[in-house]
Amino acid sequence: QVTLRESGPALVKPTETLTLTCSFSGFSLSASGMCVNWIRQPPGKALEWLGLIDWDDDKYYSTSLKTRLTISKDTSKNQVVLTMTNMDPVDTATYYCARTRRNDYNQLDYWGQGTLVTVSS
Amino acid sequence: DIQMTQSPSSVSASVGDRVTITCRASQGISSWLAWYQQKPGKAPELLIYAASTLQSDVPSRFSGSGSGTDFTLTISSLQPEDFATYYCQQANSFPYTFGQGTKLEIK
Repeated sequence: QVTLRESGPALVKPTETLTLTCSFSGFSLSASGMCVNWIRQPPGKALEWLGLIDWDDDKYYSTSLKTRLTISKDTSKNQVVLTMTNMDPVDTATYYCARTRRNDYNQLDYWGQGTLVTVSS
Repeated sequence: DIQMTQSPSSVSASVGDRVTITCRASQGISSWLAWYQQKPGKAPELLIYAASTLQSDVPSRFSGSGSGTDFTLTISSLQPEDFATYYCQQANSFPYTFGQGTKLEIK
């Protein structure tokens, strides 16, 4: 059974760095083709893909956010970490992690429940 | 980046109606398209991938079609639990991108 769960602070101040952890089970990120993605959704708005890390430690990022994002993994702990620097109130959103498989159709087949991050002083 | 444009942005329909949502990519993406359903306060759920393949356990009243730049999601006979927001997403190339969403409301 595949599960993912996001964790991290609910509130961050402007200019601070956000660190979120995605803890997963039911698959291994060392298996060929496996990927973990980060997606966010501001309140009442659309989904926005942020980035991905794959089994080979390759990373891909949103064009508009790539200078602020870093995704890393700890395969032994089944965790993926997202860091976003210089947080701003417009970054207030629910942040999700989700799995894709490169040897399938890259569909986001399993999602975490999401974690709401509010940026406010 | 590939832009995904959904239409309509919102639609009102009744139980039993047939509803079609369209999604257009700014450049060809072959069949690298997925559809998701999202209910308020919940994470999105995968409905269809590879443009037309139904995810397991998704009811057969949902169907997808298209390739290249133009795609559709059809719900053949709306059920009360189908009222939600639907998103398309391209998985052809990085960065992945989503459509702006289509809110399906009860008439």
